[in-house]
Amino acid sequence: DGGITQSPKYLFRKEGQNVTLSCEQNLNHDAMYWYRQDPGQGLRLIYYSQIVNDFQKGDIAEGYSVSREKKESFPLTVTSAQKNPTAFYLCASKYAGQEENYGYTFGSGTRLTVV
Amino acid sequence: GNSVTQMEGPVTLSEEAFLTINCTYTATGYPSLFWYVQYPGEGLQLLLKATKADDKGSNKGFEATYRKETTSFHLEKGSVQVSDSAVYFCALLTGTASKLTFGTGTRLQVTL
Repeated sequence: DGGITQSPKYLFRKEGQNVTLSCEQNLNHDAMYWYRQDPGQGLRLIYYSQIVNDFQKGDIAEGYSVSREKKESFPLTVTSAQKNPTAFYLCASKYAGQEENYGYTFGSGTRLTVV
Repeated sequence: GNSVTQMEGPVTLSEEAFLTINCTYTATGYPSLFWYVQYPGEGLQLLLKATKADDKGSNKGFEATYRKETTSFHLEKGSVQVSDSAVYFCALLTGTASKLTFGTGTRLQVTL
């Protein structure tokens, strides 16, 4: 079955560490997105990529980095510069073009906790 | 810029009650509108969508009509079930970058 796989489901990070969240899709989607979800604040866009080897900052990119070396993969690194990284992280993808006709497909999320 | 405003939750209903979750938006251009549902500990699933004014999206007994004159996309269901308990997000999509803008979400709790 096609879909988006995020791993791990739960992740614990010590203060000062960088951690990388994985996002892989086999839907042949062109565009991929990372969102952060905090209680009562909805979803906020961190980074997005519409094609391989290209990506753009979203609304809250500070303290995060991404890469898009393959169409299927869009890993997110939460760096030590991110002051409040504890949150639920969601990855999504969609076909480029015909954007008004297609919603996103979401992964099941990674819950990151700083300990 | 674009924004989505949803009614605050939680919304608590008895099974078989009528549901309305209000959603209004501000956008440049002509956005597509979506409702997503999130069950506990999971990602978001697309519930329904509408791509132009007066379109009605529907799925699993849920409906929403794209009202351009009132910039609204209210979610309704005639008879909710306990299994409908979840968080519901209204969202809009516009622009060449296809970035979804979400509301803050409304938690629905349905009791027996």
